[in-house]
Amino acid sequence: AQSVAQPEDQVNVAEGNPLTVKCTYSVSGNPYLFWYVQYPNRGLQFLLKYITGDNLVKGSYGFEAEFNKSQTSFHLKKPSALVSDSALYFCAVRDSFNQAGTALIFGKGTTLSVSS
Amino acid sequence: EAGVVQSPRYKIIEKKQPVAFWCNPISGHNTLYWYLQNLGQGPELLIRYENEEAVDDSQLPKDRFSAERLKGVDSTLKIQPAELGDSAVYLCASSSPSGPYNEQFFGPGTRLTVL
Repeated sequence: AQSVAQPEDQVNVAEGNPLTVKCTYSVSGNPYLFWYVQYPNRGLQFLLKYITGDNLVKGSYGFEAEFNKSQTSFHLKKPSALVSDSALYFCAVRDSFNQAGTALIFGKGTTLSVSS
Repeated sequence: EAGVVQSPRYKIIEKKQPVAFWCNPISGHNTLYWYLQNLGQGPELLIRYENEEAVDDSQLPKDRFSAERLKGVDSTLKIQPAELGDSAVYLCASSSPSGPYNEQFFGPGTRLTVL
């Protein structure tokens, strides 16, 4: 079965420092991987995706993610955190061999808190 | 372009009452999803539509939940009767028809509280 794990409930970083939000996945075929961000009382916003190609994917708001097939990971990163990056982050996966549908499987989310 | 619109944003009802949520997807998006997000959890799919056809409703509790997308645009999700455990955020999302790996665009959600 497909699954996504976000091992950290919360990540705390100081503004200006690099940040990493971890994600590991389990799928039966090639993965399609996504990161979304959710601000309070708002819907999820797409940040970036990995389909194929370069392992380093660049997305919105200066975020990037590194796909590592051997470690089945897709960690979200940013070189310099901003206070405004504080939000709830979700990793999601879709199994490319899943012919039943295109729904995403989400992790439980990681709260990022950036202090000034 | 306008995003995914959902209404109401908040709903408080007593248990055993019916409730309905409405979603208007992004224009041109033929795939529509309803997700359930419990507190502290990621969204979980309830139902997916391709145009007006429900193509994946395996996770929809059909004894009390129903959904429709009659003209392949707007969609309504209904709960009847609501139970205390239905308190959650109900998210609607849509995606374009150009491929299964295209990103989904989410609405702000409807926060349901069942008393």
